[in-house]
Amino acid sequence: GQQLNQSPQSMFIQEGEDVSMNCTSSSIFNTWLWYKQDPGEGPVLLIALYKAGELTSNGRLTAQFGITRKDSFLNISASIPSDVGIYFCAGQLLAGNNRKLIWGLGTSLAVNP
Amino acid sequence: DTGVSQDPRHKITKRGQNVTFRCDPISEHNRLYWYRQTLGQGPEFLTYFQNEAQLEKSRLLSDRFSAERPKGSFSTLEIQRTEQGDSAMYLCASSFGGGGYEQFFGPGTRLTVL
Repeated sequence: GQQLNQSPQSMFIQEGEDVSMNCTSSSIFNTWLWYKQDPGEGPVLLIALYKAGELTSNGRLTAQFGITRKDSFLNISASIPSDVGIYFCAGQLLAGNNRKLIWGLGTSLAVNP
Repeated sequence: DTGVSQDPRHKITKRGQNVTFRCDPISEHNRLYWYRQTLGQGPEFLTYFQNEAQLEKSRLLSDRFSAERPKGSFSTLEIQRTEQGDSAMYLCASSFGGGGYEQFFGPGTRLTVL
């Protein structure tokens, strides 16, 4: 099935560092969602973006909806150990007529205390 | 505030057996989704309900899979004659039908087929 290109695949950083990850597609999206998933649990919604160019923050997390509507990025500032997990982007196609989300393969984040 | 709940959290079964999972969505959400997730992958869409109507099914949902949402509240996903390839995390999500696309997930049911 269709997937988003999410990068990097994995990151290993020191506590306190900033993190950036992104998702790109050749298709136009009207919604971008960012989720975090811990092992053995379901994804937890972090940020939802609905407008091109929109920049939204949730605590230390900031996400942007790309101007071209084909990409989005997520930044985490001053990382802490509990940021460890897998981060997924998901999007709703502009041409889509249902509520099905297209998912990236995830970015695995490890934080060294 | 009660989120999406799923039962059971873990299920181990022998190949060929039938299994049924339950999902209780957030109470005011009229849309409910089932996904399957394997290691290293994002969730894969299986099916979607709006109230009690099943509006879309993925090609991944073979004839051994069936989902119901009889009263537009909780949903069940049944897998008949399980195969080892069915081993995965089965996730349920719900959303409010007011136009937003935000889906809220339950904790998942981990299925292991021996």
